[in-house]
Amino acid sequence: GESVGLHLPTLSVQEGDNSIINCAYSNSASDYFIWYKQESGKGPQFIIDIRSNMDKRQGQRVTVLLNKTVKHLSLQIAATQPGDSAVYFCAEYFSSNTGKLIFGQGTTLQVKP
Amino acid sequence: SAVISQKPSRDICQRGTSLTIQCQVDSQVTMMFWYRQQPGQSLTLIATANQGSEATYESGFVIDKFPISRPNLTFSTLTVSNMSPEDSSIYLCSVSVSTYYEQYFGPGTRLTVT
Repeated sequence: GESVGLHLPTLSVQEGDNSIINCAYSNSASDYFIWYKQESGKGPQFIIDIRSNMDKRQGQRVTVLLNKTVKHLSLQIAATQPGDSAVYFCAEYFSSNTGKLIFGQGTTLQVKP
Repeated sequence: SAVISQKPSRDICQRGTSLTIQCQVDSQVTMMFWYRQQPGQSLTLIATANQGSEATYESGFVIDKFPISRPNLTFSTLTVSNMSPEDSSIYLCSVSVSTYYEQYFGPGTRLTVT
């Protein structure tokens, strides 16, 4: 069935280092892949998306890479800051399921000062 | 963007009772969504609520258990009926504004059923 999963449940990095959060997906029909950030006690917040026909997209301090050959998605955060500490979810969307996001299990990012 | 508020922020309820969660958006939106997030878990879509039509429920969720209202373009409610401890979760509403996949979430309602 459809599934989006994450490799590591917890990632601990030193402040200032780069973080890489990984995600595996199984549905090749997805149109978009999206990363959300959820801070403690809050709802998820959209970070960045990538269309399925792209392999890289950059935002402010974040880069998303898509490898369709191995069905792998990653979120790279440059110069990780304490405010980046949160749970990160990847999600996939395909237009045949209008409005429906399928979320992965989440990775907790801990930033050590 | 959109700013979303939810009420209540948390509640502790007894089994067998019902709780209605409110979701208010600061602008008119077509599509609203209700999710459940069990402790330490990911988000699972319960239903999509469009104004003027019946909500569309995902597999495993039924209207009798989770009735939804969508009276206008800025407001929706989700009721958790005949609650059991298994319903203890965070319930989140979200909206899509410009694209279906960029959703804005409320802060969630933390429900504990005893």
